[in-house]
Amino acid sequence: EPEVTQTPSHQVTQMGQEVILRCVPISNHLYFYWYRQILGQKVEFLVSFYNNEISEKSEIFDDQFSVERPDGSNFTLKIRSTKLEDSAMYFCASSRSGASTDTQYFGPGTRLTVL
Amino acid sequence: AQSVTQLGSHVSVSEGALVLLRCNYSSSVPPYLFWYVQYPNQGLQLLLKYTTGATLVKGINGFEAEFKKSETSFHLTKPSAHMSDAAEYFCAVKSLSGGYNKLIFGAGTRLAVHP
Repeated sequence: EPEVTQTPSHQVTQMGQEVILRCVPISNHLYFYWYRQILGQKVEFLVSFYNNEISEKSEIFDDQFSVERPDGSNFTLKIRSTKLEDSAMYFCASSRSGASTDTQYFGPGTRLTVL
Repeated sequence: AQSVTQLGSHVSVSEGALVLLRCNYSSSVPPYLFWYVQYPNQGLQLLLKYTTGATLVKGINGFEAEFKKSETSFHLTKPSAHMSDAAEYFCAVKSLSGGYNKLIFGAGTRLAVHP
C-alpha cells in the first residue's frame, strides 16, 4: 500500500540554523500539507500546497517557513532560522484532490529538536 | 470558528471491554469528521470518516463512530478492545475556510488496554 514517507525521523539543530524536512507524498496525489505537533499540544495545520503554490497557510507559517516541491517526488519544509519554539513533531500529508471529503494520508513525522 | 474537543486525554480499558472515545465538535454547518489513530513511531492513519449519508460510520479494525448532530458529537466505539488497539486517537474536523484543505484536530486520547 502506498504511503507517505518522511526524512529524517529525528533532527537536532542549534537555534538560528536552517533545517529542511523532507517528504515523499503518495505518487498520484496532487495536494500536500504540513502539520506540526508541539509536545503535549494539538496537531496544528501549517500549510497546504497545490500546483506549485501555497493554497492556504496558518498564522504559524510566517516568513521563516517555506515549502517547495523541488522535483516530481519530494516536498520540503524549510525553516530558515530555527527558534526554540519550533521544536515539535512535523507531519507531512498528501491527498489525491482538495475535495472536502478527501482523505489526507500522513507520514510518520520528523521530530525536530532545537537547542 | 470550528473546533474539536476530546474528553479524556487518557482512557484505560481491559482487553475485551467496550472502547468509547469521546469527540465533540463546534461547527455552524454540518461538518466533515474524521478519526485518526497513531501507533508508536508511526504516522496518523485514518480509521473512519463522516461526510454525508449514514450517520453510523464503520471503519477499520472494528471501530465505528456515530455522527449525532443534536449532540454535536462523533464518538468512537469498539465493542471489544484488543491489546493491539493501544495507541493515540485523534478526532478532526475539516475546516470550512479557504479551500477545505485544513484539518482541525482535537488534543488526542491515549488508549491503554490491559490484560
